[in-house]
Amino acid sequence: KNEVEQSPQNLTAQEGEFITINCSYSVGISALHWLQQHPGGGIVSLFMLSSGKKKHGRLIATINIQEKHSSLHITASHPRDSAVYICAVSNGGGADGLTFGKGTHLIIQP
Amino acid sequence: EAGVTQSPTHLIKTRGQQATLRCSPISGHTSVYWYQQALGLGLQFLLWYDEGEERNRGNFPPRFSGRQFPNYSSELNVNALELEDSALYLCASSFQRYNEQFFGPGTRLTVL
Repeated sequence: KNEVEQSPQNLTAQEGEFITINCSYSVGISALHWLQQHPGGGIVSLFMLSSGKKKHGRLIATINIQEKHSSLHITASHPRDSAVYICAVSNGGGADGLTFGKGTHLIIQP
Repeated sequence: EAGVTQSPTHLIKTRGQQATLRCSPISGHTSVYWYQQALGLGLQFLLWYDEGEERNRGNFPPRFSGRQFPNYSSELNVNALELEDSALYLCASSFQRYNEQFFGPGTRLTVL
């Protein structure tokens, strides 16, 4: 069993729809990261959070530490949001390389 | 402010050769991380350097090694290249440890 599980693996939606991507983890963490990867490989850090909720533009990330679960929401989705979204966790305590989920491939159709 | 830079963009080597990949972190960042993204395997943690020292390594053989220089730039060396080392190698940096990581564009290594 992977330490970080994401769902769904693939998601196709229409422009304007509300998008939710889920992430569950099985280990203790110091922080959870949401990353965006576009074709060609470049990775952008969207959020790093250890509790509660963060919002940036149309993106919202939440985390429930007790349930070991996080969600990434995209409001008013747009074709430019099409990308792979990756959940990753850092364990801290001197072992700070990220452990990644397999990613969610999101396609927003016009 | 310049982001994380990596060189070269692409690198083609043959099996058994050595590859050297370079990373320059964002100015002021002291931690550098290396990750491998091989086709079908997803992203995997390789190495973490902080303040010039190797702090942690992932589940990779010793032929994957590196170092961090006094200016905090870093080098990843892969010796005795194997076909399965073909991957995108990503470098990330953070301001001190346990902070948000910012990724470079990657080096695509192809082993023939």
